[in-house]
Amino acid sequence: GAGVSQSPSNKVTEKGKDVELRCDPISGHTALYWYRQSLGQGLEFLIYFQGNSAPDKSGLPSDRFSAERTGGSVSTLTIQRTQQEDSAVYLCASSFDGYGYTFGSGTRLTVV
Amino acid sequence: DAKTTQPPSMDCAEGRAANLPCNHSTISGNEYVYWYRQIHSQGPQYIIHGLKNNETNEMASLIITEDRKSSTLILPHATLRDTAVYYCIVRAANFGNEKLTFGTGTRLTIIP
Repeated sequence: GAGVSQSPSNKVTEKGKDVELRCDPISGHTALYWYRQSLGQGLEFLIYFQGNSAPDKSGLPSDRFSAERTGGSVSTLTIQRTQQEDSAVYLCASSFDGYGYTFGSGTRLTVV
Repeated sequence: DAKTTQPPSMDCAEGRAANLPCNHSTISGNEYVYWYRQIHSQGPQYIIHGLKNNETNEMASLIITEDRKSSTLILPHATLRDTAVYYCIVRAANFGNEKLTFGTGTRLTIIP
């Protein structure tokens, strides 16, 4: 597609439920990144996929967070047993050459 | 990755040049300077990057000092749509360390 697509754009969930967030990167982009941004805060790195290499999971805040990237394309970020502090905008970005990232519009997650 | 220092906020009159400074005094020889911006409620947008030479594209110009310890992003004719948070990021060029680390940036407000 023309840009990075994320779905859903908004998600409200009850505390303790699991959620899945989806990212469709730009076709041909080998690198994919997940960040999150809490209200009024900067971007926090979560995880990074590059081709067939093992992902860099160093930013995942707890074992409730996981992500996968199937077929080197679409990625899903899963948050299990959601907590109120997980409320944030989750941003996905992709890159072809590692120099310029293209970000999606994000998924706004609200845990009530 | 080297840390950067930016003023938290700046104002600029519409139609004037906006000059956004960034200090990166601990930058090393293989690290690039990147600029991104984030308009309210959107994902960050890539603006420009450079190593040691000044760079210009359709969005902005990047001026890097000879010692590379600081840089300035220049928006030549600022418009109201340039109101955003601007992030200066320093990142190594080697592909084994690709994630961008965002700081708190400069909140630029264009005044009509």
